[in-house]
Amino acid sequence: RKEVEQDPGPFNVPEGATVAFNCTYSNSASQSFFWYRQDCRKEPKLLMSVYSSGNEDGRFTAQLNRASQYISLLIRDSKLSDSATYLCVVNPSHLPNKLVFGAGTILRVKS
Amino acid sequence: SAVISQKPSRDICQRGTSLTIQCQVDSQVTMMFWYRQQPGQSLTLIATANQGSEATYESGFVIDKFPISRPNLTFSTLTVSNMSPEDSSIYLCSVEEWQGIYGYTFGSGTRLTVV
Repeated sequence: RKEVEQDPGPFNVPEGATVAFNCTYSNSASQSFFWYRQDCRKEPKLLMSVYSSGNEDGRFTAQLNRASQYISLLIRDSKLSDSATYLCVVNPSHLPNKLVFGAGTILRVKS
Repeated sequence: SAVISQKPSRDICQRGTSLTIQCQVDSQVTMMFWYRQQPGQSLTLIATANQGSEATYESGFVIDKFPISRPNLTFSTLTVSNMSPEDSSIYLCSVEEWQGIYGYTFGSGTRLTVV
């Protein structure tokens, strides 16, 4: 079983749609969780960290369920510019600092 | 957030040769990380580079193949040695920094093609 698993997609959605990505992780001792965005031929960029209580940043909402070892990202009112690969990232332990990346979910927003 | 300059941005190399990738950060950082992203795949950590000590390599990566230098708190190099086509990949450096929570910023990557 992979440490971090994501549905690869692609998710093809129209502008304005709401789309949700899911991610599961295998290490129950994982401490930190992130969603990164990677545009084609670019480096990953931090989209948001994921907190136990869930957190929201504009159109983006991230949720963490530690009992089910499950992370989600919800994007509301999708824009063309949201088209990218979304990477679920887990830090399995706080020492040493190490990130484990999911394979990514491709989102394509179309007009 | 930290600004990371990575070079070269891309290169095409002959098999059997070596390439050294440089990573310069605009602030002092304790740890720098080197990742590989093979075509169509996600990122895999190669090693963690601390200033003043040997790099720590992840399973499947060895110092002879990927020697790393970390001469100061703002700079690191990764060498891909004795290259084969299987080394064709994107190589990225990364630093950890406080962004309300510890997050990771990446350089723009080096796209390596081995022929």
